[in-house]
Amino acid sequence: GDSVTQTEGQVALSEEDFLTIHCNYSASGYPALFWYVQYPGEGPQFLFRASRDKEKGSSRGFEATYNKETTSFHLQKASVQESDSAVYYCALGRNNNNRIFFGDGTQLVVKP
Amino acid sequence: EAAVTQSPRSKVAVTGGKVTLSCHQTNNHDYMYWYRQDTGHGLRLIHYSYVADSTEKGDIPDGYKASRPSQENFSLILELASLSQTAVYFCASSDRTGNQAPLFGEGTRLSVL
Repeated sequence: GDSVTQTEGQVALSEEDFLTIHCNYSASGYPALFWYVQYPGEGPQFLFRASRDKEKGSSRGFEATYNKETTSFHLQKASVQESDSAVYYCALGRNNNNRIFFGDGTQLVVKP
Repeated sequence: EAAVTQSPRSKVAVTGGKVTLSCHQTNNHDYMYWYRQDTGHGLRLIHYSYVADSTEKGDIPDGYKASRPSQENFSLILELASLSQTAVYFCASSDRTGNQAPLFGEGTRLSVL
């Protein structure tokens, strides 16, 4: 079945560091891929999505590129800030049934 | 403004009691979802619905029922609450096309004692 794997449970960085959070998926065809961010005490917020090979999604300085060959959609940001500390979720969706499958999430901690 | 509103925001329930979590959306979305969040397990789908008066099982439906009396409202029902159902529950909605990512509510923190 469809699934999403986030390999890092937690990432700790200092301000202005470069961020990469890895996301790999298992699915046939071309599923839609999403990134969400969740701040403490809030619901997940949609960041961006991509649905075609080599398509780049971006928002708030974060970006990820859909890679069909490596089945990946890694989240990157050039220079993180303390305010980026949150849990980030990679997700996979199917247009034919509107179901979304989430990874386990990655806790990002940015130290000032 | 598009919104998904959950009530209550937190609840303490006793083992064996009945719990109802409510969700209301003003987005005119067809799809509504209930997810459960546990530390280390991300978000897992319990039930979802794509039309009023109809619900579908998600990945972890055991111990939960759902009700969709109207397009705007979607409830999650725990008939006999158990300790293992202590978690944070999120409701979400999305449109029919799948072009929009699901929009989430603020969550309900449930503690079963």
